[in-house]
Amino acid sequence: DQQVKQNSPSLSVQEGRISILNCDYTNSMFDYFLWYKKYPAEGPTFLISISSIKDKNEDGRFTVFLNKSAKHLSLHIVPSQPGDSAVYFCAASARGFGNEKLTFGTGTRLTIIP
Amino acid sequence: DAGVIQSPRHEVTEMGQEVTLRCKPISGHNSLFWYRQTMMRGLELLIYFNNNVPIDDSGMPEDRFSAKMPNASFSTLKIQPSEPRDSAVYFCASRRGRNSPLHFGNGTRLTVT
Repeated sequence: DQQVKQNSPSLSVQEGRISILNCDYTNSMFDYFLWYKKYPAEGPTFLISISSIKDKNEDGRFTVFLNKSAKHLSLHIVPSQPGDSAVYFCAASARGFGNEKLTFGTGTRLTIIP
Repeated sequence: DAGVIQSPRHEVTEMGQEVTLRCKPISGHNSLFWYRQTMMRGLELLIYFNNNVPIDDSGMPEDRFSAKMPNASFSTLKIQPSEPRDSAVYFCASRRGRNSPLHFGNGTRLTVT
C-alpha cells in the first residue's frame, strides 16, 4: 500500500524552463511534507518542506505547493539548471499525531537538457 | 561535520551468509533510521531509534532482519541468513529532533547471489 505516490518515474526539461514534479498521498493524517534530492551513489539530501498549515513554501528557485483537499503536492524549480538533474523523492509524516516516521514515494528522475 | 557514515559501501555475499551493515550517525543527533531502497518500492523505512531505543520496527521484513543501537554513535543492521531478494541499497539516516530533516548516509549497496 503506497501511501505516497510519484506517478512519473522520469521527466525531461529544457535548461532555463520550469520543472514541475508531482506527488500524491492517501493518508489524511499526513501533515508535514518534504522533498529530497538524490544524486547517484549518494544519499538523499533535504531540499524543502511544507507544513499542512501552509499551501506554499519558497526557497530560492524551489517552491513547494500543497493542495490538502486534493491530497497533492508539487515541487517547482525555476529556472531549471543542469545541476538539478537528479532523482527527487517526496516524503510525508503525521508529525502532529506523534508519528515521526517519514514515508517516501518511489522517486522521479529529472533530467535537465542543456 | 562528517555526516552520517555507513560501511561498507558495497557488499557482495552468497545466499545464506550473514551480513552486517554499520552506521555512525551525526554527533548530537538523537534519532536514527534505517531505510531500504528498491526500484519497485522506493525508500522503505525498516526501523528507527530514538535515544538508542527502538521505537518502530514494523518495517523490518521478517525475523531474518535485526537492528541494534548499543550507543549514540553506532548502529548495525544484520541479515541472517541473507537471500537474493534482500539485494538493495540500505540507507542510514539521523536527525537532531523530530522537527529537523533527516540526514542520510551514502548507503550500502548489498548484492546477494
